[in-house]
Amino acid sequence: GAGVSQSPRYKVAKRGQDVALRCDPISGHVSLFWYQQALGQGPEFLTYFQNEAQLDKSGLPSDRFFAERPEGSVSTLKIQRTQQEDSAVYLCASSLRRASQETQYFGPGTRLLVL
Amino acid sequence: AQSVTQLDSQVPVFEEAPVELRCNYSSSVSVYLFWYVQYPNQGLQLLLKYLSGSTLVKGINGFEAEFNKSQTSFHLRKPSVHISDTAEYFCAVSAYNQGGKLIFGQGTELSVKP
Repeated sequence: GAGVSQSPRYKVAKRGQDVALRCDPISGHVSLFWYQQALGQGPEFLTYFQNEAQLDKSGLPSDRFFAERPEGSVSTLKIQRTQQEDSAVYLCASSLRRASQETQYFGPGTRLLVL
Repeated sequence: AQSVTQLDSQVPVFEEAPVELRCNYSSSVSVYLFWYVQYPNQGLQLLLKYLSGSTLVKGINGFEAEFNKSQTSFHLRKPSVHISDTAEYFCAVSAYNQGGKLIFGQGTELSVKP
């Protein structure tokens, strides 16, 4: 079946612009995660949803970052007033159930470059 | 809090040679352990995971890993690598009952040469 998809795959933004990154999880997956991967680093957790409820947003680096999943399926990560340090690959992952042992299935990522 | 350390940022190896990618973790609570692989221009893919039971875990593509609780390690091994194993490998942990948030290491770039 279809995997996790993300759009756009690449985004170039001018400093100060707002951006919106979309994630389509695997159908029926309850949990959805966002991670940020800086160049040469491992992914870092941003936030997590169980259905439409955002249960953990401890990894969001500032109040410029906002995520939503209003109908418990598609999710959007929004970054307001982008800064150069926001340049990274943003990864979305989904898992079937809410459980620490569940396998997370990752999308290809959105590469954001802020000029 | 949890942390993961991958001791080698780059591992060059010749084709058909054995390889070990090292991973150590730190956690105040019990964790599950994972290895993910990232091929060029592709998303992260699960190689294997340790949940409980036998400390030797077998995964896809001939990889295996051994959980060592006393040394807080979860090293990844393959007895004979192929050119197609060239990729970035990430070790990760997930704490019990915390919803599944993964804490990743910095990654190890495996480069297999002919």
